[in-house]
Amino acid sequence: DTEVTQTPKHLVMGMTNKKSLKCEQHMGHRAMYWYKQKAKKPPELMFVYSYEKLSINESVPSRFSPECPNSSLLNLHLHALQPEDSALYLCASSQWDGNNQPQHFGDGTRLSIL
Amino acid sequence: QKEVEQNSGPLSVPEGAIASLNCTYSDRVSQSFFWYRQYSGKSPELIMSIYSNGDKEDGRFTAQLNKASQYVSLLIRDSQPSDSATYLCAVRFDQAGTALIFGKGTTLSVSS
Repeated sequence: DTEVTQTPKHLVMGMTNKKSLKCEQHMGHRAMYWYKQKAKKPPELMFVYSYEKLSINESVPSRFSPECPNSSLLNLHLHALQPEDSALYLCASSQWDGNNQPQHFGDGTRLSIL
Repeated sequence: QKEVEQNSGPLSVPEGAIASLNCTYSDRVSQSFFWYRQYSGKSPELIMSIYSNGDKEDGRFTAQLNKASQYVSLLIRDSQPSDSATYLCAVRFDQAGTALIFGKGTTLSVSS
């Protein structure tokens, strides 16, 4: 079990659907992250939130829309996705202050686009 | 260009042997270094972090850092079949809170 909880664990959706991925942590971390991971590839950063504000957007297409309602929650809203968006989506969190803070990952949401 | 390089493997070792995993990085001012283990279909799990030159030991795992050579390694002693996984080297290049840059990972296979 991890201290970062992601729901759902699996999601299958059509290209016209709208869905959301959810992430929750109760470790008091003030930085939260979304990563995308394709098979046999390393995680690729999508977004970084610090103190509930978006601090990094790695040129992610607008069909992915992040939201951080409070310090414990991070959402990723999905709309009009493409088959190539099928991947494992990972949420992570860490302390913000200090250089030596590791990131802790949730179990991920495996997304399949039909 | 901030880069983290790892040999993709597979690295095959017999049970009980020492597995040595290596990682190099491009930016001399990098501050924090992490090793994650990822089983197939699972999320990355933090196993070691190291910030200062030298060795850091935790159970069967030893991380080694040489900032002058821009090199970090992970040694796994008494390797077990359950250690078979992909090991990801991750580096934080900038201030706290910025994302990690991951290497492509090394696949380790421990045979019984």
